[in-house]
Amino acid sequence: KAGVTQTPRYLIKTRGQQVTLSCSPISGHRSVSWYQQTPGQGLQFLFEYFSETQRNKGNFPGRFSGRQFSNSRSEMNVSTLELGDSALYLCASSLQAGSYNEQFFGPGTRLTVL
Amino acid sequence: DQQVKQNSPSLSVQEGRISILNCDYTNSMFDYFLWYKKYPAEGPTFLISISSIKDKNEDGRFTVFLNKSAKHLSLHIVPSQPGDSAVYFCAAQTGANNLFFGTGTRLTVIP
Repeated sequence: KAGVTQTPRYLIKTRGQQVTLSCSPISGHRSVSWYQQTPGQGLQFLFEYFSETQRNKGNFPGRFSGRQFSNSRSEMNVSTLELGDSALYLCASSLQAGSYNEQFFGPGTRLTVL
Repeated sequence: DQQVKQNSPSLSVQEGRISILNCDYTNSMFDYFLWYKKYPAEGPTFLISISSIKDKNEDGRFTVFLNKSAKHLSLHIVPSQPGDSAVYFCAAQTGANNLFFGTGTRLTVIP
């Protein structure tokens, strides 16, 4: 069974631009969560989607948004990029939403904002 | 505000010895705790978990201990192997699915 895939793997943007990252969950998984990893903060939860609905949201500004499609694939968008948005963005999928559902992580997209 | 903390950014251990990675949390609503392992250029992979109703869970060389009164958990790896060298994240959950992660501890096992 294929794992979680994320595209692109690396991305360089400049301040003020916007970016869209894509995540394809493991086949049959319906929940997708997004995390931001930075050296000082570790992994921080962005949001979770389940059945095309945002189920949970972390403490990030409205410039960060996401969506999920009927095939469970998910995208996240960051508008008006800032230098501080440079990070590794990880998505994770699980069979169902809710606690105790093991999350499987993709390799991440490394975003650099210049 | 960091609800899950790993105060040791790095740890070096000789092969064959015990590795002890520590984690503290502040939110008493957390009811499920996990450890993830991360190699460079890969996403975190699940290692072991423990429910708040238990104080110990063991899986092969890996044991997680939970001390709820101290809001502290630890991961013991015995014996440590060079392949265990990675960054280890502890994480905690409430009823929702989102995980609160610590900042990670880089473990280096010296052959």
